[in-house]
Amino acid sequence: EAEVAQSPRYKITEKSQAVAFWCDPISGHATLYWYRQILGQGPELLVQFQDESVVDDSQLPKDRFSAERLKGVDSTLKIQPAELGDSAMYLCASSLAMGSWVGEQFFGPGTRLTVL
Amino acid sequence: TQLLEQSPQFLSIQEGENLTVYCNSSSVFSSLQWYRQEPGEGPVLLVTVVTGGEVKKLKRLTFQFGDARKDSSLHITAAQPGDTGLYLCAGAKRLDDGNKLVFGAGTILRVKS
Repeated sequence: EAEVAQSPRYKITEKSQAVAFWCDPISGHATLYWYRQILGQGPELLVQFQDESVVDDSQLPKDRFSAERLKGVDSTLKIQPAELGDSAMYLCASSLAMGSWVGEQFFGPGTRLTVL
Repeated sequence: TQLLEQSPQFLSIQEGENLTVYCNSSSVFSSLQWYRQEPGEGPVLLVTVVTGGEVKKLKRLTFQFGDARKDSSLHITAAQPGDTGLYLCAGAKRLDDGNKLVFGAGTILRVKS
């Protein structure tokens, strides 16, 4: 069964360091999402890609966060420098093209980030 | 302001009991999805409801989409310890730049044996 892959699963870093997360969506899924989920809350969208283009990054803290999907397949989310408040689960999801009106998204296992 | 309100926030019940989780909004959604998430894992899609008034059943789970496509409920019959987890509802809104999923804050369910 096709799955969204993410790595690493866990990351511990000190504040002011740089961290990067990787996501490989389900093959054929043109739309890729990065979410941040704080413990006990629902996921919040950080950035959405359609192929290699960003279609929504309105909630991405651009002073420290960046995301890319250079070839329209896998994606990297970077934080530099990390702050204590960035500790959270970072989830990647993918879905069929934007025209898929049902909007089903499939999530990876997430990366649990702890900033000390 | 939470666009999707889930209730209750936390539910602790005994094995064999029934329960209902609610997901309410003032917005209309093109579809609504229910996910289950275990600690340290990503959300897993349980069901998608699309049509107002639609009812879907998945073994002991019954999902209903409100007639106006603004709310939904999840009913679990004879809950089992394996049902323990975070249940998330998510409403899909069709926008010009693609579908957006808006998540509720979730309901933490604990089923005790």
